[in-house]
Amino acid sequence: EIVMTQSPATLSVSPGERATLSCRASQSVSSNLAWYQQKPGQAPRLLIYRASTRATDIPARFSGSGSGTEFTLTISSLQSEDFAVYYCQQYNNWPPLFTFGPGTKVDIK
Amino acid sequence: EVQLVESGGGLVKPGGSLRLSCAASGFTFSSYSMNWVRQAPGKGLEWVSSISSSSSYIYYADSLKGRFTISRDNAKNSLYLQMNSLRAEDTAVYYCASPAGTGVPYYFDYWGQGTLVTVSS
Repeated sequence: EIVMTQSPATLSVSPGERATLSCRASQSVSSNLAWYQQKPGQAPRLLIYRASTRATDIPARFSGSGSGTEFTLTISSLQSEDFAVYYCQQYNNWPPLFTFGPGTKVDIK
Repeated sequence: EVQLVESGGGLVKPGGSLRLSCAASGFTFSSYSMNWVRQAPGKGLEWVSSISSSSSYIYYADSLKGRFTISRDNAKNSLYLQMNSLRAEDTAVYYCASPAGTGVPYYFDYWGQGTLVTVSS
């Protein structure tokens, strides 16, 4: 099983600042990496797939990069609505054995 | 507009059973794989099970050890999760989730709002 780790566990950022979130896979997942945003009481929302492609209607301030085992989600200028938990997920296995990272909580500094 | 609406959650005693449903609309349900993902209170996301469009291929997380059964009824645009021998650690919000495409591998474009399962005596 591919194990996903994320750092930091919590990131305190002021509105307007840049946030950089990291995700690491225990073995290569190529570019089969997605990022999701989850706000309290809501379902996860797809932000990024294929490591760097923004999903439909996702603002350009969200960007993803990386391949293999190291990935990054960058939020260029945090807006109030961006304070949430962010999960990475690998989908490289087939048959599927989807695994998620433990999440990074972005909160207000 | 794609909609996934889960139902069937509730309080159940340890060792009991529960059947979750997910009603899909806004897309050609019969063409897409479907999945269940769960989230224990205050915890992260855990993939539970996947079923292919025609039910030919079914997969489960190893941790379930044969207690859960995924199924679908394409005529009713519905996905199901039969959960048996429930344990306290199965307490979670259960989401159904689907890709937007029919290829593999895939990620989860669409999510329902979730249904809460609580296993407690």
